[in-house]
Amino acid sequence: DAGITQSPRYKITETGRQVTLMCHQTWSHSYMFWYRQDLGHGLRLIYYSAAADITDKGEVPDGYVVSRSKTENFPLTLESATRSQTSVYFCASTETSPHEQYFGPGTRLTVT
Amino acid sequence: RKEVEQDPGPFNVPEGATVAFNCTYSNSASQSFFWYRQDCRKEPKLLMSVYSSGNEDGRFTAQLNRASQYISLLIRDSKLSDSATYLCVVNNFNKFYFGSGTKLNVKP
Repeated sequence: DAGITQSPRYKITETGRQVTLMCHQTWSHSYMFWYRQDLGHGLRLIYYSAAADITDKGEVPDGYVVSRSKTENFPLTLESATRSQTSVYFCASTETSPHEQYFGPGTRLTVT
Repeated sequence: RKEVEQDPGPFNVPEGATVAFNCTYSNSASQSFFWYRQDCRKEPKLLMSVYSSGNEDGRFTAQLNRASQYISLLIRDSKLSDSATYLCVVNNFNKFYFGSGTKLNVKP
């Protein structure tokens, strides 16, 4: 039972580069989410998706792009990485919105 | 104003102690409530959902007070393994909002 996986687990990139973080879940959950976690801020929602081809902004969407062509995948792209996007990124999924989420192991991204 | 607020702690308690955390939320229309546990910036894991009637799972008891818009978590007979950061989470119409977490250190 693979659950929810993220890749890469660690990434170092340079300012201005495009980088894509991958998220894959095997439960066929309808909802998927991307969060970033920074010291002192807890987890903040970047984007979420209620189903394939349906996405919506969260609290901190600027500088990020998402897509969801298949139910099981929800990639997050930083179009032009900035140092302020250095963070730990978590992907999560849930079958229905009011219910609990399940998280992937996270991606630690450093932008130099 | 933050959607969800928690005391960051740390709470330093001896083994066997009882400790309580509170969390307040700003949106009275919030639909569902949870406590998650997070170890050393690993992925958060669900500890328990929180219901209006209150619910208990072993040494853990969660309460929801909708009138005052706060959620509580009580841990009885603390174990060393309970040392972690506890995250309060609130769901508003498809979006989940996280508190910044309360750190618990259980000492021998």
